[in-house]
Amino acid sequence: DQQVKQNSPSLSVQEGRISILNCDYTNSMFDYFLWYKKYPAEGPTFLISISSIKDKNEDGRFTVFLNKSAKHLSLHIVPSQPGDSAVYFCAANWGDDMRFGAGTRLTVKP
Amino acid sequence: NAGVTQTPKFQVLKTGQSMTLQCAQDMNHEYMSWYRQDPGMGLRLIHYSVGAGITDQGEVPNGYNVSRSTTEDFPLRLLSAAPSQTSVYFCASSYVADYTGELFFGEGSRLTVL
Repeated sequence: DQQVKQNSPSLSVQEGRISILNCDYTNSMFDYFLWYKKYPAEGPTFLISISSIKDKNEDGRFTVFLNKSAKHLSLHIVPSQPGDSAVYFCAANWGDDMRFGAGTRLTVKP
Repeated sequence: NAGVTQTPKFQVLKTGQSMTLQCAQDMNHEYMSWYRQDPGMGLRLIHYSVGAGITDQGEVPNGYNVSRSTTEDFPLRLLSAAPSQTSVYFCASSYVADYTGELFFGEGSRLTVL
């Protein structure tokens, strides 16, 4: 069963605009949520995280929002840059169990 | 600073062959894990370890064995490869005390089973 879902396999945005990547989860036991970024032929790298006791966390151009009642989180990138083009994985953590979504491929066009 | 190192980067096996994917980290992380990445499935946890001598199963452990004799190394063994094990494998590590669960990944090992 996929406990973490990213329903959009791909997203294309124009440089300078906002990118919004979405993620849904089913397990209410998850207490940390993370976003990872992956370039081709490289391993995923950590981008930003949020604790379940918060609803927003910002780091520069990246903001993650958490809506616990809807079991939904989103990653906002403002402004988007061509170097942000990558696959983004949403992940949710509970103890030793970390589950990943299928990923969303973001393309930022110059 | 090497981080997490995986070898080999590419491997082709025939059905029934065995092999070991190597993973080493130099960050003194207690937690190490193996994931496989398949199209449309994201990253799925195969096995993990919270310290030397301790291993446990993840979501998709069947067909894989692991051991953790040192803090640095966490090899993944395929005893009898099957085409369904064709995938990209990632090793990852973290501090056990890091409750956020932030993982540091290797560059991946692409395995093809014919």
